[in-house]
Amino acid sequence: SQQGEEDPQALSIQEGENATMNCSYKTSINNLQWYRQNSGRGLVHLILIRSNEREKHSGRLRVTLDTSKKSSSLLITASRAADTASYFCATLTPSGTYKYIFGTGTRLKVLA
Amino acid sequence: DTAVSQTPKYLVTQMGNDKSIKCEQNLGHDTMYWYKQDSKKFLKIMFSYNNKELIINETVPNRFSPKSPDKAHLNLHINSLELGDSAVYFCASSPGQGGYGNQPQHFGDGTRLSIL
Repeated sequence: SQQGEEDPQALSIQEGENATMNCSYKTSINNLQWYRQNSGRGLVHLILIRSNEREKHSGRLRVTLDTSKKSSSLLITASRAADTASYFCATLTPSGTYKYIFGTGTRLKVLA
Repeated sequence: DTAVSQTPKYLVTQMGNDKSIKCEQNLGHDTMYWYKQDSKKFLKIMFSYNNKELIINETVPNRFSPKSPDKAHLNLHINSLELGDSAVYFCASSPGQGGYGNQPQHFGDGTRLSIL
């Protein structure tokens, strides 16, 4: 399995509902980032949370990080149809090579 | 204004051919990357350059050769294309030395490579 694994793999909700997706990883990290990918497009950075942080907010996004459980969650509140996309977590490990390892993503569909 | 641009957007070619993908960023970033995204959406880093110097080289077949003529450009040349090379290839950039890691990456829209 991969360093970053998102759960669920797919999520379908109604507009206005909240969407929560989770990311689990295996090794210690320096930081964790969340990205969004719309169909046919590149990834767009959403939020970065450092290993010494527990929670960050950005607009309708809330990210939590639990390093003891090696997991992070992304909450999108009051979802909109435009939030339909794949969401990826990416972890940076203090391994010396400083490369990000991406998970396989959660495909979110928001129904109008 | 496109920040990270890749060309071509689509590339369909025969097995055994040689092809190149070009990437340019106008963000003034020092670090650029190539990623491969497979059919299951798994994104894996291939290479990273910082100021034209190679800093990350994953276990990629040597048929893949990146070239960075300057810090705003990172091209990818692929020799003897194989069926398994079919994927979407993304170029990305980040400010400062990518090695510090506390920087978001900016992605291009990808090049969809299909091998016949």
